[in-house]
Amino acid sequence: DAMVIQNPRYQVTQFGKPVTLSCSQTLNHNVMYWYQQKSSQAPKLLFHYYDKDFNNEADTPDNFQSRRPNTSFCFLDIRSPGLGDAAMYLCATSTAGQGKVPQHFGDGTRLSIL
Amino acid sequence: GENVEQHPSTLSVQEGDSAVIKCTYSDSASNYFPWYKQELGKRPQLIIDIRSNVGEKKDQRIAVTLNKTAKHFSLHITETQPEDSAVYFCAALYGNKLVFGAGTILRVKS
Repeated sequence: DAMVIQNPRYQVTQFGKPVTLSCSQTLNHNVMYWYQQKSSQAPKLLFHYYDKDFNNEADTPDNFQSRRPNTSFCFLDIRSPGLGDAAMYLCATSTAGQGKVPQHFGDGTRLSIL
Repeated sequence: GENVEQHPSTLSVQEGDSAVIKCTYSDSASNYFPWYKQELGKRPQLIIDIRSNVGEKKDQRIAVTLNKTAKHFSLHITETQPEDSAVYFCAALYGNKLVFGAGTILRVKS
């Protein structure tokens, strides 16, 4: 049974049109992460939430924002997608203890930009 | 800085042979090292991990070894099978952040 659920699996949007990706979890984990993974590359951390505390990576573009309305849900908002934002977006969760690992990944949302 | 180097980038082995993938990390304070397997179009799946208080961990055909002095760790897959074909990522924990290696494409030829 999927414990980290991402919707939709595939998302197509137009250049410059805002898009929101969603992630939910049934694990009751404190920490939720968003990664960007481009083809043939490693996942790259965009930001994470520790409960309600938001932590942004220094090199995450301003175009990317996130919301976590409650423990179970986390959203990734891309305000004005560019062609370079086409990628797989992975959500992950972990507990707060033991260095916040291991991380458990969802199946991802593949974003295409027209 | 935060860096994880992974080698080789591609690895082809014959079914039944062993496969070894190696990673090095730069921060001696790192204390957690997971390995993820990612099949095409699917999520990274944790297959084994090791903390710095042990030197080796084994789970059936998969083992990970850690050399803290040299700051490197390796994934060993024995008796490889076609279903082992995937991209494998190592990672190291820097503070609260997992930093991934660039990945190894493993192809098991039957």
